[in-house]
Amino acid sequence: DAGVIQSPRHEVTEMGQEVTLRCKPISGHDYLFWYRQTMMRGLELLIYFNNNVPIDDSGMPEDRFSAKMPNASFSTLKIQPSEPRDSAVYFCASRFRGSSYNSPLHFGNGTRLTVT
Amino acid sequence: EDKVVQSPLSLVVHEGDTVTLNCSYEVTNFRSLLWYKQEKKAPTFLFMLTSSGIEKKSGRLSSILDKKELFSILNITATQTGDSAVYLCAVITQGGSEKLVFGKGTKLTVNP
Repeated sequence: DAGVIQSPRHEVTEMGQEVTLRCKPISGHDYLFWYRQTMMRGLELLIYFNNNVPIDDSGMPEDRFSAKMPNASFSTLKIQPSEPRDSAVYFCASRFRGSSYNSPLHFGNGTRLTVT
Repeated sequence: EDKVVQSPLSLVVHEGDTVTLNCSYEVTNFRSLLWYKQEKKAPTFLFMLTSSGIEKKSGRLSSILDKKELFSILNITATQTGDSAVYLCAVITQGGSEKLVFGKGTKLTVNP
């Protein structure tokens, strides 16, 4: 299994530009999570999906952030317009939750976003 | 609000030392506690603990959960430089939410 795949690995953009981060979860996993990690705040959950449906987006900082999951193998996190305070590492993670077995969260390698 | 607190925030030891990392939590409807190791990239899974008093072990690492006192410890014996990393603790709750709440981590540095 290739694990959770994120792209791009690094993104440098100017303030005001649109940024799109991509994620391919592990095949068969029914939950997908987007986290943001900074030194100050640690790992913060932004949004998570179950079977492609957004369940909890209470962590999305503001309307500039949006996330979609059009199918079981792909999700995007978009920031429009981007601001310097959005600079962070964005992780995508997935897990399987069966009726009697819970797998741990598996993380992608993250996208390091720098907004200048 | 659900909260996970790790201590210490950072720790510097010498190779061969034994370390204990702490994680305390205040959450509604606790289900499981997880430990992750984060080096330069993605956090990698170490342990999932659901029951009190049962030690989980993997090589030199071990962990135990105390659901009465609401904490967990992660022990690393005979530390090696490769153990240098940030160790993250996370809690998942029962009920409708599947989100993991993470602590800020303990940064462990093992010097040769």
